[in-house]
Amino acid sequence: AQKVTQAQTEISVVEKEDVTLDCVYETRDTTYYLFWYKQPPSGELVFLIRRNSFDEQNEISGRYSWNFQKSTSSFNFTITASQVVDSAVYFCALSDFSGGYNKLIFGAGTRLAVHP
Amino acid sequence: ETGVTQSPTHLIKTRGQQVTLRCSSQSGHNTVSWYQQALGQGPQFIFQYYREEENGRGNFPPRFSGLQFPNYSSELNVNALELDDSALYLCASSLSAPGRDGKKLFFGSGTQLSVL
Repeated sequence: AQKVTQAQTEISVVEKEDVTLDCVYETRDTTYYLFWYKQPPSGELVFLIRRNSFDEQNEISGRYSWNFQKSTSSFNFTITASQVVDSAVYFCALSDFSGGYNKLIFGAGTRLAVHP
Repeated sequence: ETGVTQSPTHLIKTRGQQVTLRCSSQSGHNTVSWYQQALGQGPQFIFQYYREEENGRGNFPPRFSGLQFPNYSSELNVNALELDDSALYLCASSLSAPGRDGKKLFFGSGTQLSVL
């Protein structure tokens, strides 16, 4: 079955600390996509990154970096030098094409609190 | 700015009533998906509309129904409301044909529905 697990329910850090959010997925598909979304208190899900299953190159974008490891079915997300504005709920998601249409399977989310 | 707008932002209904939620997709996007996000959980797929036709549905009962209009805006209707229907309802749009394209979704800020 398609499944996304975010084992960390809540993380609390002090500003400027680095923090890594874990994501483990299960899929039967050989071609799939993985996503990270951020949900601030306003409720809107903000797209952060998308990775396809053929691209295991890790990426750094400013203070954000992602570590995709197909061998361990993990797609972890790291924020370097965290800031108060990073406080939000972060969701990892997996594309699911069963049924012939495209939908996302989300994890339960990790709530990140960054304190000054 | 994602360009996806939802109305109303908040709604309070009583059990047994019916509700209609509205979504205007980002300009040019022809696919709309609806997700239900219960408190403390990740979003769950309800259904998807592509060019005015439902082309995918998650594990939700028939009292959840929808429409997509020629301008690609969409409605979610829920009949015979139950207490467990209390959740944040998110609309997402994408420019997509059905299939394994892994297109990212652009989400609105959601409608918070409370059923008393």
